[in-house]
Amino acid sequence: QKEVEQNSGPLSVPEGAIASLNCTYSDRGSQSFFWYRQYSGKSPELIMFIYSNGDKEDGRFTAQLNKASQYVSLLIRDSQPSDSATYLCAVKAGLTTDSWGKLQFGAGTQVVVTP
Amino acid sequence: SQTIHQWPATLVQPVGSPLSLECTVEGTSNPNLYWYRQAAGRGLQLLFYSVGIGQISSEVPQNLSASRPQDRQFILSSKKLLLSDSGFYLCAWSVLQGLYGYTFGSGTRLTVV
Repeated sequence: QKEVEQNSGPLSVPEGAIASLNCTYSDRGSQSFFWYRQYSGKSPELIMFIYSNGDKEDGRFTAQLNKASQYVSLLIRDSQPSDSATYLCAVKAGLTTDSWGKLQFGAGTQVVVTP
Repeated sequence: SQTIHQWPATLVQPVGSPLSLECTVEGTSNPNLYWYRQAAGRGLQLLFYSVGIGQISSEVPQNLSASRPQDRQFILSSKKLLLSDSGFYLCAWSVLQGLYGYTFGSGTRLTVV
């Protein structure tokens, strides 16, 4: 079982709609959760992080965390063609299982926003 | 502010040739440093990480090696490249054991021919 799982997509979203991306993780001790955006041929860029259960909003992005169910999601409202990219979910290992706290990355979900 | 520099941006090397990729971080002290590889259409694979000068941990056994000669310098090397070493190499840094995530450099696209 992969430690961090995401649907690979592509997720096709009409311009102006909401894109919903999901990520599940296996380490119950995980404390920190991150979403990265990676444009084709570029390096990943951190766009959101969340530590507590519930929602965290930043502009058009909302991260949602449910530790009991071990999933984290990212909503992109009013999707724009510039949002077309691969979105990587990353989970920071809990200190009980990895004292070094390395990030575990999912394989990413490709999002395509169509005009 | 902190910045991370990675070079070269692209590299084409013949099979069997050596490799040296360099990464430097500015604006922070004692960062944790990482080397990742991303094969075409694939996820990120952690190759090496370092918590301090001379302290290197390897995640995947292969013909690559890493060194950290200075606090903010991280070098990825190979004595003889293989075709399978082609990919997008990313250096990253973090503080506080990645509490705020990792920041990636711009990457080096390596093609072994």
